[in-house]
Amino acid sequence: GAVVSQHPSWVICKSGTSVKIECRSLDFQATTMFWYRQFPKQSLMLMATSNEGSKATYEQGVEKDKFLINHASLTLSTLTVTSAHPEDSSFYICSARDDTAGGGETQYFGPGTRLLVL
Amino acid sequence: AQTVTQSQPEMSVQEAETVTLSCTYDTSESNYYLFWYKQPPSRQMILVIRQEAYKQQNATENRFSVNFQKAAKSFSLKISDSQLGDTAMYFCAFMKHDRSQGNLIFGKGTKLSVKP
Repeated sequence: GAVVSQHPSWVICKSGTSVKIECRSLDFQATTMFWYRQFPKQSLMLMATSNEGSKATYEQGVEKDKFLINHASLTLSTLTVTSAHPEDSSFYICSARDDTAGGGETQYFGPGTRLLVL
Repeated sequence: AQTVTQSQPEMSVQEAETVTLSCTYDTSESNYYLFWYKQPPSRQMILVIRQEAYKQQNATENRFSVNFQKAAKSFSLKISDSQLGDTAMYFCAFMKHDRSQGNLIFGKGTKLSVKP
């Protein structure tokens, strides 16, 4: 099956610093990747859609200057949380959409990144 | 706008028994995909099963099968011969067949506990 990696899996940082999270599709090319945020015991909340070679599309209420997304290649998207604050502490999950023939546009998820901002 | 509803916040089942998780959705689209994802305590989202709306035949994957009722906008998941490893949150999800707007819309999830 399709594999998506996410790094780091755990990060603790001080308030005011920036954190970069990488999402890679390992065995397929992904024109489109997605970034989600999940609070405890809740469903996934879509933050933004990352498109290779173009600007990301952000959901309403998500600050694009706060959450910088770069999709520089067909296998890599990055999310940078700039000037992180304790309220940014959360579980961040990426997914990559398999647009290959027969892939059914299925999204495969990375293992997630737990961010704790002190 | 599309919505996905999972009306069972929690369910439990005895090991080796069968359990059905409910999901309904609302859409005016005619062409779309439906998914069930599983999220165990590790929090890794795992694809369980996928259904294309234009296919009348219900999808099956080993012990997992769906009952897709397009007119009723219902998409339930049946787990047969439940195993302890099936304990997880299960999310039903909808996606338009439109690559420019192909994001997943999730239900709130059903927490399934498989008891020995």
